[in-house]
Amino acid sequence: GQNIDQPTEMTATEGAIVQINCTYQTSGFNGLFWYQQHAGEAPTFLSYNVLDGLEEKGRFSSFLSRSKGYSYLLLKELQMKDSASYLCAVRKGQGGKLIFGQGTELSVKP
Amino acid sequence: NAGVTQTPKFRILKIGQSMTLQCTQDMNHNYMYWYRQDPGMGLKLIYYSVGAGITDKGEVPNGYNVSRSTTEDFPLRLELAAPSQTSVYFCASRGQSAELETQYFGPGTRLLVL
Repeated sequence: GQNIDQPTEMTATEGAIVQINCTYQTSGFNGLFWYQQHAGEAPTFLSYNVLDGLEEKGRFSSFLSRSKGYSYLLLKELQMKDSASYLCAVRKGQGGKLIFGQGTELSVKP
Repeated sequence: NAGVTQTPKFRILKIGQSMTLQCTQDMNHNYMYWYRQDPGMGLKLIYYSVGAGITDKGEVPNGYNVSRSTTEDFPLRLELAAPSQTSVYFCASRGQSAELETQYFGPGTRLLVL
């Protein structure tokens, strides 16, 4: 089977750093994605890891450890507009199917 | 490019009615996907297609059907609507080259079944 776990909600302060964790158990692992989804909108792509290590993209970084079935999304210099749901998704096989976690609702407070 | 477009944006159905959710992409992507998202939850894959004429089931296909007669279009059909199908439906597409690993999502269709 497959299981993807991430915290349901987190709160952080504007200007701070927050780390959102994601653990997964799945067969046929072929990459891990992070998406951002504002309320009432479609998910938008943030980052993608297929090899172990850290991928940095401006204020956002994502880390993957395949042996531990673990990833995190790191958001630096938080802004109010970063308040959103962050979805961790594992890609299975060659067809590009994504299996999503339930999402982490991040609230950024002044 | 318009990207991925979905119609309608919102629809109310009565139990037992049928409808087709439309999805079109103009990026010449081979891969297309249908997801549903219930409140406070992640996305669940309903059906997907790796190219015209080829479709396959995802995690939650029951109660739905799809077809892929062209590269651009991937309609999702609900034959006998049930309250459990109340959800937000997202269509997505993906290219095939290494630079196009991400899925691009449409704006979604909100469906209420009463």
